[in-house]
Amino acid sequence: SQQGEEDPQALSIQEGENATMNCSYKTSINNLQWYRQNSGRGLVHLILIRSNEREKHSGRLRVTLDTSKKSSSLLITASRAADTASYFCATPKTSYDKVIFGPGTSLSVIP
Amino acid sequence: ETGVTQTPRHLVMGMTNKKSLKCEQHLGHNAMYWYKQSAKKPLELMFVYNFKEQTENNSVPSRFSPECPNSSHLFLHLHTLQPEDSALYLCASSQDWLANTGELFFGEGSRLTVL
Repeated sequence: SQQGEEDPQALSIQEGENATMNCSYKTSINNLQWYRQNSGRGLVHLILIRSNEREKHSGRLRVTLDTSKKSSSLLITASRAADTASYFCATPKTSYDKVIFGPGTSLSVIP
Repeated sequence: ETGVTQTPRHLVMGMTNKKSLKCEQHLGHNAMYWYKQSAKKPLELMFVYNFKEQTENNSVPSRFSPECPNSSHLFLHLHTLQPEDSALYLCASSQDWLANTGELFFGEGSRLTVL
């Protein structure tokens, strides 16, 4: 079964608005990652947050991690049409160091 | 350009055909992966290779046969596939599977259609 699960499954916003996606996971983690996938393309790594970190920023991206709730959020500020993509959270399985992906959030940014 | 190249980008094959997907990474990484992405389903990890040795076979049917001749190249040999095997097959690499730094570098994928 998958380790992480994103919420919502789909999100549609106007350009310039902020987009927030959430990820819940089931077991203890060493780190949690977020990836983006444009339609029909490969995934691109966005940001990694370690279990001892609570918040991390990268450009217009802000990721938070709450290990007590086993959840993470990805905030994209001042969204652009080019941010339209699917966003996945991913967690390594501690026993194998395999990275397991959630089903993703499909984000549409309307110009 | 992520440094991971997959060919072909698109492949259409019949159920009796034999074909292969190729992945090459120019990043000096030691671990390589095959993922399957079907419509409306999460990415499924298929195989993991670390230093050319297969370390994970995630209950993949034998009609999918991986090959890793060296740390830079990974193949997925396909034979007698089923229409439900139609999907986007993604190759990825990472520096070292044990490092747990976690970042995967993906290729653009091979879109497979089985008729």
